[in-house]
Amino acid sequence: AQSVTQPDIHITVSEGASLELRCNYSYGATPYLFWYVQSPGQGLQLLLKYFSGDTLVQGIKGFEAEFKRSQSSFNLRKPSVHWSDAAEYFCAVGAYSGGGADGLTFGKGTHLIIQP
Amino acid sequence: EPEVTQTPSHQVTQMGQEVILRCVPISNHLYFYWYRQILGQKVEFLVSFYNNEISEKSEIFDDQFSVERPDGSNFTLKIRSTKLEDSAMYFCASSGLAGVTGELFFGEGSRLTVL
Repeated sequence: AQSVTQPDIHITVSEGASLELRCNYSYGATPYLFWYVQSPGQGLQLLLKYFSGDTLVQGIKGFEAEFKRSQSSFNLRKPSVHWSDAAEYFCAVGAYSGGGADGLTFGKGTHLIIQP
Repeated sequence: EPEVTQTPSHQVTQMGQEVILRCVPISNHLYFYWYRQILGQKVEFLVSFYNNEISEKSEIFDDQFSVERPDGSNFTLKIRSTKLEDSAMYFCASSGLAGVTGELFFGEGSRLTVL
């Protein structure tokens, strides 16, 4: 079964600084990887996803993530954070069985705090 | 922009009571999901639903849980006899495509508190 580890529960970054949120996954085959963001009182919004091809994927709001198979990682990055980026970030892995609707396995999330 | 809506936003219930959480998925979506998030823990998959039947369910989704699409728009999660440990935020999601190739659109969640 697949699993996701987000080792950082909280991260504090100054506004304008760069950001990297870590995600490690465990899955026997090529994973389908996602990053979701949850702002206070909101649902989960998809930032970006990786299925295949270029290992550096671009998402919304200026985020990008790089899939590194050798490290089983899919870290999320942003070159310059804005106060509005303060939120909970979830990494998720999916397994496609070839039919039906499959569930995602989420990490525990990383709470991002932006300092002025 | 189309969105998934959930009601109620917060429900408080006594242990042993039945609870129904409601979701209106995006209108042209075909795949529906329930997830839950216990406070301070990860978002956990409960069940997926397609073509009026359950496609996949986790070990959390035991006999106390059921899902239904009673009409063309609503997708409900019923908990027959709530336990304290059912207290969580429950998220509904829908997708237009099968499996993980389709983006899941999540609702804002229904917070369930069992006393």
